[in-house]
Parts: sequence; structure tokens; C-alpha cells
Amino acid sequence: GENVEQHPSTLSVQEGDSAVIKCTYSDSASNYFPWYKQELGKRPQLIIDIRSNVGEKKDQRIAVTLNKTAKHFSLHITETQPEDSAVYFCAAPRSDSTLTFGKGTMLLVSP
Amino acid sequence: DTEVTQTPKHLVMGMTNKKSLKCEQHMGHRAMYWYKQKAKKPPELMFVYSYEKLSINESVPSRFSPECPNSSLLNLHLHALQPEDSALYLCASSHAQGQGNSPLHFGNGTRLTVT
Repeated sequence: GENVEQHPSTLSVQEGDSAVIKCTYSDSASNYFPWYKQELGKRPQLIIDIRSNVGEKKDQRIAVTLNKTAKHFSLHITETQPEDSAVYFCAAPRSDSTLTFGKGTMLLVSP
Repeated sequence: DTEVTQTPKHLVMGMTNKKSLKCEQHMGHRAMYWYKQKAKKPPELMFVYSYEKLSINESVPSRFSPECPNSSLLNLHLHALQPEDSALYLCASSHAQGQGNSPLHFGNGTRLTVT
């Protein structure tokens, strides 16, 4: 089955800095890679996703890059703000099309 | 506003109680999911319903019993739970399982405490 590794487990940055979270996956057939943000006490929310026919996707301060050859994808957040503080989960599909989640990255943005 | 509604928000139950968690969505999604999430851990898949039929059971103990009365509703019946079952239970939906990997939409969850 699909195995997703996520790093780092915690990330502390100063407001205005960039943050990068990386995930690797094992199944070369995987073709869909979402990122979820979960604020404390709240539900996971999809913030961006990418399909395997593109290498990069941007949405304002958030971008995701995909390297199919190396089987890794990354979340990039620029000009971080305190409200970006949350746990971020990457995910990749299993053969039954359900998602396998990474272990999560706790991002702390200090003012 | 969340498009997937879960009730109750919080539930405290004893080990001999029977209770149910409820989930509702009106997005026309045909796949619905139950996830369990422990603190500082990712969501862990429990059950998947596809077109109102149970398609995946991740070897969940029988003290958890899912039910899908119709395409908009999903229930999780709880009986004789253990303290280690205390967790956040998340319902989610998507357009359809296996349909080009459509995004999951999560509800706000039910915070369950088993005493």
C-alpha cells in the first residue's frame, strides 16, 4: 500500500518568512496529492491539491510542487502570518482511492 | 460554514452506554467516510460508504457499527466502548470513491470521551 513520509514534524518561523513542508510517497501510480490544514480544535480543511499531470500549482501565498520521478511533493507558504499556524497534513491515494495521510507538520509562525 | 454537519459536537459516555454519532451532507456526494483522530495524529480511516453501500471496513472493532440510511446521512453507532476509543471522530464526504480522487470535505467532528 501507499506509504507517505512527511517532514519536518515541527517547523517554527518568524512572520514574513517562508515555510516548506515535504512529503514522499511510495506508489508511483499515485496521481493526486492534497494538502490539509488543521487549526487547533478544528476540522482538516483542503488548502491546495495537485494532480500528476502538472509540476506546480499556486494559490496566492501557497504553492505545491510535485516531482514524480523522485516521488515527492512539497508545500510552500510565502510571507507567513500568525494565522498560518496549524498542523498541515499531506496525503496520497491508496489503490482503493482512499487517502493515506502523512504524520503532520506543526507550523508555528511567531509575530 | 462547514458543508458536512456532525452531531453532537461533544459526547461523554460510559463503557456500558449506547450512543450514535450523526453526519449529514447535501453536496450530492456519493462517498462518505468515518475517520478517527487522536491528538497530534493524522486522521485514521475507519469506514467508507460508496453509493450507500459499505465498501471499506479498516478492521474496526464491532463495538463501532456504521450505517448509511440514505445518500445524505451517515451514522456511527457506539456500544461498549473502551477509554482508548476516546478521540475526535470525523465524518467526510467526496464526490465518489475512485472517481479521479476527488477532495475530502470534513465535518467539524465529534469529540468523544469514554469514561
